[in-house]
Formats: sequence, structure tokens, C-alpha cells
Amino acid sequence: GAGVSQSPSNKVTEKGKDVELRCDPISGHTALYWYRQSLGQGLEFLIYFQGNSAPDKSGLPSDRFSAERTGGSVSTLTIQRTQQEDSAVYLCASSLRASGALTDTQYFGPGTRLTVL
Amino acid sequence: KQEVTQIPAALSVPEGENLVLNCSFTDSAIYNLQWFRQDPGKGLTSLLLIQSSQREQTSGRLNASLDKSSGRSTLYIAASQPGDSATYLCAGIKAAGNKLTFGGGTRVLVKP
Repeated sequence: GAGVSQSPSNKVTEKGKDVELRCDPISGHTALYWYRQSLGQGLEFLIYFQGNSAPDKSGLPSDRFSAERTGGSVSTLTIQRTQQEDSAVYLCASSLRASGALTDTQYFGPGTRLTVL
Repeated sequence: KQEVTQIPAALSVPEGENLVLNCSFTDSAIYNLQWFRQDPGKGLTSLLLIQSSQREQTSGRLNASLDKSSGRSTLYIAASQPGDSATYLCAGIKAAGNKLTFGGGTRVLVKP
């Protein structure tokens, strides 16, 4: 079946603009994660959604970052008033579930490369 | 504080040699571990996931072990091939939420 898809694959924006990044998880996966990969910080967790539970936003670097997941499927990561330090690859992942004693494999999308000029 | 560490950061071996990639973690809350491969400009491909109840996982030429008491995981790749050249990342999973905490990765080059 189809894997995790993300759009756009590349986004170039000017400092101060808002951007929206989209993630389509694997069908049937209840857990969805956003990560960021940058040269200076490596791969870091941003936010995750599990079913109808309140999202874990503990990794969001500032209040300029927000995310939502509509209908338990597609998710949008929004960055307001972008800064140059926001330049990174934003990766989305999904898994069957995110609770319980067993961990389910997280499957990653190809990422969105964001460049803030 | 780096919770998950991978040493070395880069590794170059001749084709056919076995690869040993190390991952260590300091947070005792990490109880599962997942290994990924990342090719340049691409996303992450899951290789092996070791649950807390397991000590190792095997898939083809890949074998990963997990020792929670010492905070270490090792990924073995037997008989390396040029196609194994990539960056290998380990990620620890804590009890809460299953979010991944990544190491810095080991960039592997297998020379033909």
C-alpha cells in the first residue's frame, strides 16, 4: 500500500511569511508524528497525535509552531512568521498506535525541505 | 544533554567487511530501540525495532542487539556491500508516547 506522503517536497519562503506543511499518513495508522532534521540539531521530535487524545506538543520550539490533524488522518504543520533558523527538513511519520507495552514501527515520509531566506 | 549517542560519526570500510555500529543511551526510561537508514536527501527507512522484551532482532544480513542494563544497542551488518552506504540512525523510545529520541547517526561508506 501507499506509504506516508508529504507535500510540498521543497518550500522556499521569505523571512516573516507563514508556511503550511502537509502530511498524509498510512491509512489506518492512528498515531502521527512530526520531526525536524537540521544540520545543527540533528533529528528532533516536534509533536505527535494519537487518535482523539490531546496532542503531545512538548517538542515544539516556539509558539510560532502549531499543528492539527483533521479527521484523524491528514495533518498540517504551520509555522508562522518564519525565521531563518526554521530552515530544516520536516519529517512526518505514522504508526499503528502509540500506546501500550508494545511499540509499533514508525514509518517516515520523504520530508519537506524548508528554506527560509 | 545528548540522550542518545552514536560513535563513530563516520565509518569507511571495504566491501565484504562486517559493519558494527554502536548506539548508547543515558536515559533509563528508554526501553525500546529502533534502527533506521537514511540515504542522502531521502526520508528514513526503518530497519529493525527491538521491543523491551527482546534482546535482539534479525533481518537478512542485519542483526541488532539491545542491552538496557548497559544502555547500549549494536547494529551488525554482515558482508557489507556498496549499497549499504548510507547514514544509520538509532532512536530510543520511552514509555510515554512512543516518540523517538534520535542519535546523531553514523555515516557509512562501503568502498567497492
